Amino acid sequence: AQSVAQPEDQVNVAEGNPLTVKCTYSVSGNPYLFWYVQYPNRGLQFLLKYITGDNLVKGSYGFEAEFNKSQTSFHLKKPSALVSDSALYFCAVRDMNNQGGKLIFGQGTELSVKP
Amino acid sequence: DTGVSQDPRHKITKRGQNVTFRCDPISEHNRLYWYRQTLGQGPEFLTYFQNEAQLEKSRLLSDRFSAERPKGSFSTLEIQRTEQGDSAMYLCASRDHIGGGEKLFFGSGTQLSVL
Repeated sequence: AQSVAQPEDQVNVAEGNPLTVKCTYSVSGNPYLFWYVQYPNRGLQFLLKYITGDNLVKGSYGFEAEFNKSQTSFHLKKPSALVSDSALYFCAVRDMNNQGGKLIFGQGTELSVKP
Repeated sequence: DTGVSQDPRHKITKRGQNVTFRCDPISEHNRLYWYRQTLGQGPEFLTYFQNEAQLEKSRLLSDRFSAERPKGSFSTLEIQRTEQGDSAMYLCASRDHIGGGEKLFFGSGTQLSVL
């Protein structure tokens, strides 16, 4: 079965420090991977995606993610965290078993950035 | 592009009542998805439409749930005889299956509370 796992329920970072939110995946074939962010009482907003090409993907708000096939990981990173980055982050993989394009989400990681 | 809109934002109902939610996707998007999200979990896929055709339903979608997308525009999700376990955020998302880059656009969701 295709899935993603986010091993940390919560990540705490001081403002200005680098941040990493971890994600590992399990799929057959080449994965399509995504990161979304959710602010309180809001829907999910797209941050970035990996489909093919360069393993380092740059996205919105200064975030980037590195695709690592050997470790089946797609960790989200940012060089310098902002308090406003505090939110819920979801990793997702496209379901490749059909043509519907639906995404399978991880359970989420709550990022807290303190001043 | 006015985004995906969902109505209502919040719904409180008593157990056993029927509720209906509406989703208006981005106008040129022909694929529409419904997800359910409970506290501390990632969104779980419920169903999706391509134009007016409902092409996939999750086993999470019991007989009490029905979704429609008449004329391939807006969609409704109805829950009959609500149960307390139905309490969740119901998210709608849309995408264009051609050149959309696999990216889903989410609405802000409908928060359902069943008392």
